[in-house]
Amino acid sequence: GAVVSQHPSRVICKSGTSVKIECRSLDFQATTMFWYRQFPKKSLMLMATSNEGSKATYEQGVEKDKFLINHASLTLSTLTVTSAHPEDSSFYICSARELRDGNQPQHFGDGTRLSIL
Amino acid sequence: SQQGEEDPQALSIQEGENATMNCSYKTSINNLQWYRQNSGRGLVHLILIRSNEREKHSGRLRVTLDTSKKSSSLLITASRAADTASYFCATEQDKLIFGTGTRLQVFP
Repeated sequence: GAVVSQHPSRVICKSGTSVKIECRSLDFQATTMFWYRQFPKKSLMLMATSNEGSKATYEQGVEKDKFLINHASLTLSTLTVTSAHPEDSSFYICSARELRDGNQPQHFGDGTRLSIL
Repeated sequence: SQQGEEDPQALSIQEGENATMNCSYKTSINNLQWYRQNSGRGLVHLILIRSNEREKHSGRLRVTLDTSKKSSSLLITASRAADTASYFCATEQDKLIFGTGTRLQVFP
């Protein structure tokens, strides 16, 4: 079945560091990828929709300069948390949808746990 | 917020019992999906039900959808300790919006 690989699975870094998270669709092409954030024991909150070859669409309240999204190819989207601070610590999850995919589920990565000291 | 609501927030049952989780949403949808998440892990897709469907089965799972009431339910029959996880509904139109989730604990 379709697989989405997310890397790294865990990051621990100092405040002020920028962190890049990759989301790859391994065996299918994805024109659209989605980035979610999840706080402990909470639900997933959609941050942005990443469209291949164009600018990402951010949800209300998400700072686009803070969370940079690049979707340079049909198999790769990246989320960069710039100048990360402790409040950015969270679980980040990506998902991808296949081309011309109607009523089919999105495929999710295994998530990245980001801890900012 | 567009986010759907799920109830109960937490559910504890014994192995062999059935578990029912409910989801209510606010907008029109193309489909509704249920996902499972083990603690600290990614999401596992369980079942998708289209807006023109009313009921769907997959193994021990049964999902219903009532678009007039904007609600859905997930029934897990004959639960097992391995079913312990968080369960989320998610509605989709142009994007996937997740519900608040139900934490299910099944005691052996």
